[in-house]
Amino acid sequence: GEQVEQLPSILRVQEGSSASINCTYENSASNYFPWYKQEPGENPKLIIDIRSNMERKQTQGLIVLLDKKAKRFSLHITDTQPGDSAMYFCAARGTNTGKLTFGDGTVLTVKP
Amino acid sequence: EAAVTQSPRNKVAVTGGKVTLSCNQTNNHNNMYWYRQDTGHGLRLIHYSYGAGSTEKGDIPDGYKASRPSQENFSLILELATPSQTSVYFCASGDVNQDTQYFGPGTRLLVL
Repeated sequence: GEQVEQLPSILRVQEGSSASINCTYENSASNYFPWYKQEPGENPKLIIDIRSNMERKQTQGLIVLLDKKAKRFSLHITDTQPGDSAMYFCAARGTNTGKLTFGDGTVLTVKP
Repeated sequence: EAAVTQSPRNKVAVTGGKVTLSCNQTNNHNNMYWYRQDTGHGLRLIHYSYGAGSTEKGDIPDGYKASRPSQENFSLILELATPSQTSVYFCASGDVNQDTQYFGPGTRLLVL
């Protein structure tokens, strides 16, 4: 099956700076890479995703990069705010099963 | 956004007892999923379904059964609950033609 490694597990940044989370995957056939944000006591919510036919996607202060050769994708949050503090998960979906495999998550804390 | 509900939201069970977690979605999605979330492990797939009458084993199916009696409903069954099954369980649904999975609010299960 697919394996997804997510780093770092803990990330603390100053308000207004950027935050980056990196994920790697094993299955070169994976074709869909979503990012979820989960606040304490809540369910995971999709914040941005990228498909294998793209290298970069940006929306509202979020940038996702995909490097298929390196089997690596990353989330970049620009101009972080305290409201960005949460757990973030990356995931990868293989084309054969359609299942998502999740990374273990990153706890982001944005300090005022 | 897809409407996914779960019941119960909280459950305390005894070791060896039977536990049934229910999930309902109202957006006519074909695919439904059960995950558990534990600290340090992110979201792990237990069972999933491609439609009414179908169930498939996920990455950690041991000790769990699933049932998909209709398009809307997907249940997770613990026939003989064990303390190791104490966790937060999330149901998700997704359309076969789209990639996004939408998560329910979660069920906190404590097995004593």
